[in-house]
Amino acid sequence: GAVVSQHPSWVICKSGTSVKIECRSLDFQATTMFWYRQFPKQSLMLMATSNEGSKATYEQGVEKDKFLINHASLTLSTLTVTSAHPEDSSFYICSAGASGRTETQYFGPGTRLLVL
Amino acid sequence: GQSLEQPSEVTAVEGAIVQINCTYQTSGFYGLSWYQQHDGGAPTFLSYNALDGLEETGRFSSFLSRSDSYGYLLLQELQMKDSASYFCAVLYNFNKFYFGSGTKLNVKP
Repeated sequence: GAVVSQHPSWVICKSGTSVKIECRSLDFQATTMFWYRQFPKQSLMLMATSNEGSKATYEQGVEKDKFLINHASLTLSTLTVTSAHPEDSSFYICSAGASGRTETQYFGPGTRLLVL
Repeated sequence: GQSLEQPSEVTAVEGAIVQINCTYQTSGFYGLSWYQQHDGGAPTFLSYNALDGLEETGRFSSFLSRSDSYGYLLLQELQMKDSASYFCAVLYNFNKFYFGSGTKLNVKP
C-alpha cells in the first residue's frame, strides 16, 4: 500500500525559532502533496497545496511567508514554520494521492509542534 | 465556499449498526470521502463516492446522493476498535479537500 512518512513526529521549540517538517512518499511519486493543520478535537484545515517544481498554493488566511513550503522532488515536500509562536502549536499532517489518484489521500503520521 | 455538517458524537454498542450522516454545500463538487482517525493518529482513507449510490467495503459502506447533497457512512457489526472520529470530506475543484468537523463514535460493550 501507499505509505507517507513525516519527520519529526514531535518537536518542541522556543518561540522565535524555525521548524522544518518533512513529508515523504515512500513507495510512490507524488506531484502534489497537501499540508493540513489540526487543533485538538477539531477538523483538519487545509493549509496549502504543495506542487513539485513550482510554488505552493496557499489557502486563504494562511501566511505564505510564515509557512514556507518546498516540494523539491517527487517524493519530498517540506513545511517550514518560520519564527514560530505559541499559537502555531498544532498537529501538522501531510497527505498525497498515489498514482495520481487525488480522491484517495494517504496521510502521514503527523507532526506535533509545541512552541514554548 | 464549502460547508459540511455531521453529528458531533454517536454512541452504539458492539455488534450494532450505526449510520453517520453528512450534508454538504460545495461549489465545484467532485466527490465525498470518509476518513477514520483514532486519537493521536493520522486519518486513514475509508471510502470515496463520486457517483450516486452505495459503495460497500467489508463492514463499511458509504452512500452518496448528489441531488440531495447528502451522504452517509454505515458501519456494521461494530467492534470496539471502531471507536474513533470519522470525517466526511468533499473533494472540490478537482484536487482540494474540505473536511467536516468529525463525528466521534463511541462503541460500548
